[in-house]
Amino acid sequence: EDKVVQSPLSLVVHEGDTVTLNCSYEVTNFRSLLWYKQEKKAPTFLFMLTSSGIEKKSGRLSSILDKKELFSILNITATQTGDSAVYLCAVGQAGTYKYIFGTGTRLKVLA
Amino acid sequence: EAGVVQSPRYKIIEKKQPVAFWCNPISGHNTLYWYLQNLGQGPELLIRYENEEAVDDSQLPKDRFSAERLKGVDSTLKIQPAELGDSAVYLCASSLGVGTSGVTDTQYFGPGTRLTVL
Repeated sequence: EDKVVQSPLSLVVHEGDTVTLNCSYEVTNFRSLLWYKQEKKAPTFLFMLTSSGIEKKSGRLSSILDKKELFSILNITATQTGDSAVYLCAVGQAGTYKYIFGTGTRLKVLA
Repeated sequence: EAGVVQSPRYKIIEKKQPVAFWCNPISGHNTLYWYLQNLGQGPELLIRYENEEAVDDSQLPKDRFSAERLKGVDSTLKIQPAELGDSAVYLCASSLGVGTSGVTDTQYFGPGTRLTVL
C-alpha cells in the first residue's frame, strides 16, 4: 500500500531555532514530492522536488529529496512565530496526477 | 491571478440532509481535485478530473457522494444524504495537468468548505 509518513507529528520550538521536518514515502512510480504549509485555511505550495530537482531553497526554508532512501526533509532556519503551521508532504505518482498526503507535522514557534 | 474559489466557506446541516459544494479552479487548469481533510489529518483524494472526465474516483463513496464537472471548468461535489462522519473540510485544488508544455504538477488549493453535520 502506498504511504507517506511524516515526523514528528508535532513540534514546539522557540523563535530563532532551526527545525527539520521529515517525510518518508513508499509510493509506486514516484513522480514528485511536494511540500505545503497549511495555516488555518488551504495548503499553500512551498516546494516541488523531482528527480531533476532534488534540492530547493527559498529564504529560510530549504528542502532536499533522497530518492535512494525515499525521504525528504524540510529545513527552516531562524524560525519565526509566523512559521507556526501544519507542514504537509505529498507524493505524486507518475502516469497519474494522484497525490498521496502525509498527516502533516504541526509546528508551533513560541516568541 | 485569481486563485481557486470555493463556496460556501462554511456549512452546517442536519444529518440526512443534502449538501453541495462548488469549486472554480484557476483559469486554464485542466486538472481538478476534490479532497476531504479530517482534523489532524492530511488531505485524502475523493476524485480527480482531467477536463470534464473523472479519471480517478476510486476513493469517492458513490452511494452518497457525487461530483460533476460538466464543461471542464467549475465543479460541484454533492453529498446526499449527509452523515455525521462527513463532517470535515472539503478542499478543491487545481493544476495545469496533462499535455501542457513544461508540465508542472503543482496543485493550488482553494480555501475549503468546512462542513458540520449535526
